[in-house]
Amino acid sequence: DAGVIQSPRHEVTEMGQEVTLRCKPISGHNSLFWYRQTMMRGLELLIYFNNNVPIDDSGMPEDRFSAKMPNASFSTLKIQPSEPRDSAVYFCASRLGTGLSNTIYFGEGSWLTVV
Amino acid sequence: SQQGEEDPQALSIQEGENATMNCSYKTSINNLQWYRQNSGRGLVHLILIRSNEREKHSGRLRVTLDTSKKSSSLLITASRAADTASYFCATEPTDSWGKLQFGAGTQVVVTP
Repeated sequence: DAGVIQSPRHEVTEMGQEVTLRCKPISGHNSLFWYRQTMMRGLELLIYFNNNVPIDDSGMPEDRFSAKMPNASFSTLKIQPSEPRDSAVYFCASRLGTGLSNTIYFGEGSWLTVV
Repeated sequence: SQQGEEDPQALSIQEGENATMNCSYKTSINNLQWYRQNSGRGLVHLILIRSNEREKHSGRLRVTLDTSKKSSSLLITASRAADTASYFCATEPTDSWGKLQFGAGTQVVVTP
């Protein structure tokens, strides 16, 4: 089975540019999560969707960040305009169902550098 | 502040030795999960233990959970060089479904 697929794996962009990160969750999973990992703050949940609906976006740092899930097999995280402090690894994760024993599976991450 | 706090922050052992790391948390949880992250890679799920479980095994991994002390431990037996990675505990609070809260991780180095 294919895992969570993220693209791009690496991106270097200039400050002010728009960045779009993409995620394809595991087929059949109905919950999708976006996390960010930095040295200073560790792993932080940015937003999560259940059945394509955003449930909690309280972790989204600023209005410059937005996330969409137009269908069950695709999600995007957009940063516009990007800033150097947005440099981090962005992970997408997915989960099947709402059971308390359901594992959350992570993608390989998108490594973003804003210069 | 982070929900899970791992201890120690770093651990260096030789192949064949056991590695033990601990995780403490603050709120009531549905479950606690351990993940491994190799350098430059994503997080790999190792094991999930529910709040009503006390111990779980998976291969060379043994996880314990003490909800009264709000702590968990991960034991890797007979460690191998390939176990070199960062290990994170993540808790799912009872009042925040899906909002896994991660600790800062334990960096484990296993030397041949």
